[in-house]
Amino acid sequence: NAGVMQNPRHLVRRRGQEARLRCSPMKGHSHVYWYRQLPEEGLKFMVYLQKENIIDESGMPKERFSAEFPKEGPSILRIQQVVRGDSAAYFCASSPEAQMNTEAFFGQGTRLTVV
Amino acid sequence: QKEVEQDPGPLSVPEGAIVSLNCTYSNSAFQYFMWYRQYSRKGPELLMYTYSSGNKEDGRFTAQVDKSSKYISLFIRDSQPSDSATYLCAMTPSGPGNKLTFGGGTRVLVKP
Repeated sequence: NAGVMQNPRHLVRRRGQEARLRCSPMKGHSHVYWYRQLPEEGLKFMVYLQKENIIDESGMPKERFSAEFPKEGPSILRIQQVVRGDSAAYFCASSPEAQMNTEAFFGQGTRLTVV
Repeated sequence: QKEVEQDPGPLSVPEGAIVSLNCTYSNSAFQYFMWYRQYSRKGPELLMYTYSSGNKEDGRFTAQVDKSSKYISLFIRDSQPSDSATYLCAMTPSGPGNKLTFGGGTRVLVKP
């Protein structure tokens, strides 16, 4: 059973370009969480999605950032018109359901560098 | 003030020593408390989680939660060089598979 797959692992974008980060959850998992990790900091929650639904986007910046988790295919985190401050590691985690004793598994992350 | 505070370290110990890590938090709604290990340029890996107050042991790892003091700890016995990593505490009002609030992480270096 493959783990949470994120791609690309590394992404370089120039200021003003768009970044698309993909996350394929573990098989059977229908809950996806995105987190951002700035250098030397812990992870900060961004958004929680289930298939075709955004459940909680309280951690998403109001502009330029969007996320989706379609019925088919991976979850996508999209950053439009990237700026230097968007440079960070972006992790997604998946869980089968948000119940009491179910842990979420993390992917290896996508490291975004904005030049 | 951050919801979860964690000393960034680095914490350097000799091989075989006990590693002691801790976090404090301010949100009394937190019920589940997790410890993650993160190697450089890798994703976080769950070590163990505890529900509410109390102790939990798993091999060389012991987690303690004191909700009255809003203080959690992780102890690593007989530390090995392979334990060198960043340790992140995380917590949530609901289950461990839910939205997590993380501490900033403590870098640990176990020297042979």
